[in-house]
Amino acid sequence: AQTVTQSQPEMSVQEAETVTLSCTYDTSENNYYLFWYKQPPSRQMILVIRQEAYKQQNATENRFSVNFQKAAKSFSLKISDSQLGDTAMYFCAFMKRFGGGQGFSFIFGKGTRLLVKP
Amino acid sequence: SAVISQKPSRDICQRGTSLTIQCQVDSQVTMMFWYRQQPGQSLTLIATANQGSEATYESGFVIDKFPISRPNLTFSTLTVSNMSPEDSSIYLCSVDGHGQGITEAFFGQGTRLTVV
Repeated sequence: AQTVTQSQPEMSVQEAETVTLSCTYDTSENNYYLFWYKQPPSRQMILVIRQEAYKQQNATENRFSVNFQKAAKSFSLKISDSQLGDTAMYFCAFMKRFGGGQGFSFIFGKGTRLLVKP
Repeated sequence: SAVISQKPSRDICQRGTSLTIQCQVDSQVTMMFWYRQQPGQSLTLIATANQGSEATYESGFVIDKFPISRPNLTFSTLTVSNMSPEDSSIYLCSVDGHGQGITEAFFGQGTRLTVV
């Protein structure tokens, strides 16, 4: 069974600085996707960034980038130039396709609460 | 993308009663997912709902407690039955972008349930 581990329950960073959130996972699958989702106080889950396991190049979305180490099963999120609006709960998630191609199933880590301080 | 409307957004209920949460999607989707997020915790999958068939429940969740309906490809309901304070959580509806060729999960805004 797949598992997703986020070892940092809470983190804080000063505005404009850089912070890295850690995530490790365990799977015997070879084809899968990894995600970081953000959940601000509004409760709306928002996709931050996505990584396909078959791609060696790390995904980047503006100020957000990942360090994907497939052999080590590690998937960390780096937030550069942190902004107050980045304050949220961040969830690492593993996705695999259902058998028969009917859809996807997701497994979420426990989350890291990030506070960006002014 | 998919836009999901979930209601109610919050409710306070008496123990022993039931609450039905509605989830409406702006496009047709094969599978809809219901999650529970207990205070300060991660998302736990309750069940997967396919249109026209019984929902598939995860370990620890049963149909008598969390009956689900899926009458068409854009709508689903989750009922939390015979509630107790332990059921106080956020309940989230989700769909995947599989039908649109999008590798992503989309979520409703959640229902914050408090049982007193």
